Amino acid sequence: DQQVKQNSPSLSVQEGRISILNCDYTNSMFDYFLWYKKYPAEGPTFLISISSIKDKNEDGRFTVFLNKSAKHLSLHIVPSQPGDSAVYFCAADTGNQFYFGTGTSLTVIP
Amino acid sequence: NAGVMQNPRHLVRRRGQEARLRCSPMKGHSHVYWYRQLPEEGLKFMVYLQKENIIDESGMPKERFSAEFPKEGPSILRIQQVVRGDSAAYFCASSDFTDTQYFGPGTRLTVL
Repeated sequence: DQQVKQNSPSLSVQEGRISILNCDYTNSMFDYFLWYKKYPAEGPTFLISISSIKDKNEDGRFTVFLNKSAKHLSLHIVPSQPGDSAVYFCAADTGNQFYFGTGTSLTVIP
Repeated sequence: NAGVMQNPRHLVRRRGQEARLRCSPMKGHSHVYWYRQLPEEGLKFMVYLQKENIIDESGMPKERFSAEFPKEGPSILRIQQVVRGDSAAYFCASSDFTDTQYFGPGTRLTVL
């Protein structure tokens, strides 16, 4: 039962353009959402989060949008840089555990 | 402030042996979480522990798997009588009283 879904396994974007990574969830009890970035052979690194009481959170080049009615969140990276190439996981928090999506592999082309 | 530490980074076991994975949380963190990542899959929650207590083990297989977080020392994930299907990357994360979890580098278990 995949409660958090990332339907795009991969995404390629030109350097300098915007990267948009999407995530859908099914459980309306989730109250906190996070994005993690993962390089091969390393653990996930926390990137940005958003509480369910907000619809947008911005941190430098990274912005997360939350649409509760659609149960959808997205991560925008602008401008995209080659160093952003990694696998991005969205996660939803119930308080006790995180549910992770299956990840989207982002490639930023120089 | 050192991050979450996991050891070993790579572990090879033959079928039937025991695997012990260790996790030292970030300094000041009293919450530890274990996740498993199978090939081509996302991270799956296994267990959530606080010092000397298992809070939520709903993601842990009922047999052969156990976890502890003693008063002193690292958290241990133990897999007894390993099988090939246990081959995966096992990640530990820690947190303080906030919701953000910080992950270790993972232990890659290979069962021959």
